[in-house]
Amino acid sequence: DVKVTQSSRYLVKRTGEKVFLECVQDMDHENMFWYRQDPGLGLRLIYFSYDVKMKEKGDIPEGYSVSREKKERFSLILESASTNQTSMYLCASSPTVLNTEAFFGQGTRLTVV
Amino acid sequence: AQSVSQHNHHVILSEAASLELGCNYSYGGTVNLFWYVQYPGQHLQLLLKYFSGDPLVKGIKGFEAEFIKSKFSFNLRKPSVQWSDTAEYFCAVNSYGQNFVFGPGTRLSVLP
Repeated sequence: DVKVTQSSRYLVKRTGEKVFLECVQDMDHENMFWYRQDPGLGLRLIYFSYDVKMKEKGDIPEGYSVSREKKERFSLILESASTNQTSMYLCASSPTVLNTEAFFGQGTRLTVV
Repeated sequence: AQSVSQHNHHVILSEAASLELGCNYSYGGTVNLFWYVQYPGQHLQLLLKYFSGDPLVKGIKGFEAEFIKSKFSFNLRKPSVQWSDTAEYFCAVNSYGQNFVFGPGTRLSVLP
């Protein structure tokens, strides 16, 4: 089975802190994604990556950056956390662009106080 | 850009009732379509997917969905729901050059 593992299930951070959310997948997938999930809004794409050291902005990249130094690891960085970034963050991976599903991690619930 | 709408925000049913959750997408070209489910406290799991071929797709746990290209729809159905189907359901689409786009979700509550 494909496994996508997010480093933390719950995080509480202070406003202004730099926050790192880590995601690792074990199936050699090319594509990795970071979404945030908010009630009534579904999942919104923050950033994605099609290859090592490659990143593309999604629909809501403001206030975030990403890093993909190794194929299996995709990190989301909140440069200076703000309360409006309190959310559930979901990492996903997929082997190709089309004709495949996305596999999700268990999510990180981040609270910024 | 691609968008996905789901007809209902919250659906409440009694056990054994039939379920239909609506999903419409905006893109007119070749698409892949998905329904994901998120049980309370768990990660998103794939219920079913459509890539090509028979527009009636069967998934896990007795769910099925029908792709109607002319209506840009991919509605999810189950003939008889159980209490354990209580969850949030997300419709998603992707296409060439477009990433996975998700709908806002429909929360299903099944009363015992």
